[in-house]
Amino acid sequence: DAGVTQSPTHLIKTRGQQVTLRCSPKSGHDTVSWYQQALGQGPQFIFQYYEEEERQRGNFPDRFSGHQFPNYSSELNVNALLLGDSALYLCASSLGGGGWYEQYFGPGTRLTVT
Amino acid sequence: KNQVEQSPQSLIILEGKNCTLQCNYTVSPFSNLRWYKQDTGRGPVSLTIMTFSENTKSNGRYTATLDADTKQSSLHITASQLSDSASYICVVSERSNDYKLSFGAGTTVTVRA
Repeated sequence: DAGVTQSPTHLIKTRGQQVTLRCSPKSGHDTVSWYQQALGQGPQFIFQYYEEEERQRGNFPDRFSGHQFPNYSSELNVNALLLGDSALYLCASSLGGGGWYEQYFGPGTRLTVT
Repeated sequence: KNQVEQSPQSLIILEGKNCTLQCNYTVSPFSNLRWYKQDTGRGPVSLTIMTFSENTKSNGRYTATLDADTKQSSLHITASQLSDSASYICVVSERSNDYKLSFGAGTTVTVRA
């Protein structure tokens, strides 16, 4: 049973560019949450997708957008990249999105903005 | 201000020794509290989850305690092993906003032989 997978593993972009990160949830899971983790910090919630809709959003600007596909996989898009967007981006999947549901995290995508 | 504060920020212990990590939170109303282990460059992995009615939960050599009155939790690692070297993150779920989890910054544990 495949766990949560993310691609790519690492990515280097320059300021102003756009980036798309991808996530495939654990088999049987229907909810995907995205987090940004700066070096030495805990993950910060970006948003959560369920049934192809953004259900909840954290304190991130509109430059951060996402999408969920019918097979429950998800993409995170970041436009007009800033140096401060450099971080580990984590995807977590769950069956249902409430706080009671166990979230399984992927290995993350390390984004470096130069 | 972060609603979940962890201490210490980092610690170094010798293999075989015990250690205790602290988590204080202000999230209210509280739903549940989890401890995660995150190896360097990897995603967090759940260790324990506790509701307000639970005082302690164990997972092998990891034991978590919770005092919902004082809003404090601890994670105790017994007989540490080199593989315990990781960041340990406290995560709190708010009952009225079920979808959003509040993460602490983590405690980095280094176990030395």
